[in-house]
Amino acid sequence: GAGVSQTPSNKVTEKGKYVELRCDPISGHTALYWYRQSLGQGPEFLIYFQGTGAADDSGLPNDRFFAVRPEGSVSTLKIQRTERGDSAVYLCASSRTSGDTQYFGPGTRLTVL
Amino acid sequence: GNSVTQMEGPVTLSEEAFLTINCTYTATGYPSLFWYVQYPGEGLQLLLKATKADDKGSNKGFEATYRKETTSFHLEKGSVQVSDSAVYFCALRGSSNTGKLIFGQGTTLQVKP
Repeated sequence: GAGVSQTPSNKVTEKGKYVELRCDPISGHTALYWYRQSLGQGPEFLIYFQGTGAADDSGLPNDRFFAVRPEGSVSTLKIQRTERGDSAVYLCASSRTSGDTQYFGPGTRLTVL
Repeated sequence: GNSVTQMEGPVTLSEEAFLTINCTYTATGYPSLFWYVQYPGEGLQLLLKATKADDKGSNKGFEATYRKETTSFHLEKGSVQVSDSAVYFCALRGSSNTGKLIFGQGTTLQVKP
């Protein structure tokens, strides 16, 4: 069956611009997670959705980062006024419920020039 | 807070050699422990997991035992293959069960024929 998909696969933007990254979870998975992976590091948790609501957003680095999941399926991670330090691979994962195995998408590589 | 520490890489082995990648953790309560693998050009995949002390997770010839007394979850394989070349991440999910994973920094394994 279809796995977690993320679009775009690559995004290059200029400092100060706004970007949106999209995640399509596995059908029927109620839990959705965003992580950020910098070069040579492990993924770092950003935010977790259970259904439509953000159950844990403790990993968002500052108020330039925001994520939504309005219908409990697709999620969008939004970054305002991008900075060079935002350059990383943004990973999305979903699971059937919060305690189940997380399945990861291929990631979106964001480069801020 | 919760954290995971992995041995630094890269680890370079000859085919059929024995593999150990060390992982230790700090956590309150009773976390679940995981090994994820990232093959070149692919997304993160769950390799194995253990949810309570003394459990052994195993998959594809890899094994890891949840040792609460030493707060460790070392990954082992008796005979590595070239196809095992990848980046390996140790991770934990806290006992509060929000679902978020905390990852180590990753260990690159290169297996030479």
